[in-house]
Amino acid sequence: KQEVTQIPAALSVPEGENLVLNCSFTDSAIYNLQWFRQDPGKGLTSLLLIQSSQREQTSGRLNASLDKSSGRSTLYIAASQPGDSATYLCAVPRGAGNKLTFGGGTRVLVKP
Amino acid sequence: GAVVSQHPSWVICKSGTSVKIECRSLDFQATTMFWYRQFPKQSLMLMATSNEGSKATYEQGVEKDKFLINHASLTLSTLTVTSAHPEDSSFYICSALLAGGHEQYFGPGTRLTVT
Repeated sequence: KQEVTQIPAALSVPEGENLVLNCSFTDSAIYNLQWFRQDPGKGLTSLLLIQSSQREQTSGRLNASLDKSSGRSTLYIAASQPGDSATYLCAVPRGAGNKLTFGGGTRVLVKP
Repeated sequence: GAVVSQHPSWVICKSGTSVKIECRSLDFQATTMFWYRQFPKQSLMLMATSNEGSKATYEQGVEKDKFLINHASLTLSTLTVTSAHPEDSSFYICSALLAGGHEQYFGPGTRLTVT
């Protein structure tokens, strides 16, 4: 059974610092890994999707890396801003299907 | 593009009543939609997979007679919480799978409070 873990559960940084969010999964046979952002009381916004054949994916200040063999993905957010404050979730599909297993999330607070 | 809406955004109901939540893909067709539940400060847990024109498949531990799912068209899935109890109070989120794709697009969620 796939288990997805995110550490730390919460993170507080001053504005301008780079953020490093970790995601680990127990079954390395994944087809892709997705990072999401969730604002309080809101739905999910997809940030990045990394295919299993990719090592990293970039979008603006966001960069996500994937190391399947070690069962890890890292989301880097450069030069953090107060608007980056949110919960960040990673998720992997179960087997070849589309059902997602989510990590517990990391709650980020960027202080001005 | 790829916008998913949910209605209502929040609802309060009395214990014992039923509540229907709608999930719509606004600008694309979705043969598959998913329903998740999220308790405060917890992650999303998949409840069921909704397939257009066929019965939904439920995750282990989710009562299919309590959480009725109907996917009558390629753009609409509904979740009905029957005989709601306070422990059903939660944030319900749906997602829609773009036909032929692997990326899910999530709705804004529905906050259900059962008193």
